[in-house]
This record gives sequence, structure tokens and C-alpha cells, in this order.
Amino acid sequence: QVQLVESGGGLVKPGGSLRLSCAASGFTFSDYYMSWIRQAPGKGLEWVSYISGSGTTIYYADSVKGRFTISRDNAKNSLYLQVNSLRAEDTAVYFCARNAITDLDYWGQGTLVTVSS
Amino acid sequence: DIVMTQTPLSLSVTPGQPASISCKSGQSLLHSDGKTYLYWYLQKPGQPPQLLIYEVSNRFSGVPDRFSGSGSGTDFTLKISRVEAEDVGVYYCMHSIELPRTFGQGTKVEIK
Repeated sequence: QVQLVESGGGLVKPGGSLRLSCAASGFTFSDYYMSWIRQAPGKGLEWVSYISGSGTTIYYADSVKGRFTISRDNAKNSLYLQVNSLRAEDTAVYFCARNAITDLDYWGQGTLVTVSS
Repeated sequence: DIVMTQTPLSLSVTPGQPASISCKSGQSLLHSDGKTYLYWYLQKPGQPPQLLIYEVSNRFSGVPDRFSGSGSGTDFTLKISRVEAEDVGVYYCMHSIELPRTFGQGTKVEIK
């Protein structure tokens, strides 16, 4: 079955960086686009970024462009999000999700990023 | 960006009764390929969102048939024919016709 497991979140000071990871299993990872979506505490969902199966097509939300970098390692069945220049408003649970014909069909449990001094 | 507007923002339902959530998009979600890219998700407490409905009216794998979606263009509806206790959570609509994907504000469903 499809499994997505995020890791790498934590407490970081404003201006700091983290690398979030998403380990995928149960499907042919390289065949699928993958996305990151975030959810601030008690708030709704915000799409952050996505990457094609080959890694050649990438898009970002305007709110993170220039600060976040999405990447993947198909040999390791892993998706990454490098988050730099963090701000308080980046505090959120970050979910990875698989993009299929049915778009965001499976989601991981999420990893919490807290930006605070 | 396409604005997605859900109503109501909260709903209290008696078990066994129907429930309905509306979602309106700021522009048509009908693509030139003939498909309409409107999705519904349910986020149960403490869990990630789970896909319920894709392309307006198609139930995702394993989704009970008490859930149904309808609509066209810019106006869409999610209906639960008979609400059960396990249906509590926040329901979100989302479009995927262009980037960025955007979500509605969410509709919190609770049981009376």
C-alpha cells in the first residue's frame, strides 16, 4: 500500500533552515509528481510546491519562492524540501502528497516546523 | 490565484441525517480537455487530509457511497446522504486546473 512518511521538522529560529524529507513506498516513486502542502496551526491547507517524476519540472507558491527548494532522489524513493530564511509565518505541519491522475491522492502524516526565537 | 469559497464554515448534523457543503470557485474549473478539476478532501481530527471525491463526482477508492459530489463550472456541492459519527472533521474543496492549487477555507462537520 502507498506510504509516505515525513521527517526533519523541528524548532528553528527566524532566518534558520531545515531539510524536510518524505520517504515513499508501495508504488513506483519515479512515475509520480510529488507535492508539499502545509497547514499552519488551526488553519487551512496551503499548497507549497511540486516536482515532476524526473525532477525537471518544479513549481513553487509565491509565498516560498526563492526560499524553499524541492528535490527528489528516485534511487532512494525520497522527496525533500529545503526550507531557508524561515519566518514565523512558515510555522506549520508540512505534508508530502502523491500527485496522481486523481491529483493529491495519498498524504503523509506530516512533520511540524516551528519558527520561533 | 483561484479563490475557493466554502459554505457553511461549520455544520452540526444529527447522525443519519443528510449534510451538504457548497464550494464556489473564482473561475471555471472546466478544462479544455473536458474534465472539471474539483476535488473534495476530509481531514479527520489529528490526521492528514484524505481524498474523497475527484473531478467533481468520482469517489476515490474505498470512499463510502453515502458521499457524492456534483456541480459544474464554478459551483459545486458535496453531499453526505446519511452522516455517521466517523464523518466528523473538516472538509476542504480544492481545484487542480492550474498552479497554484488552492483550497477552500474548510467546513467543520460535527455530530449533534
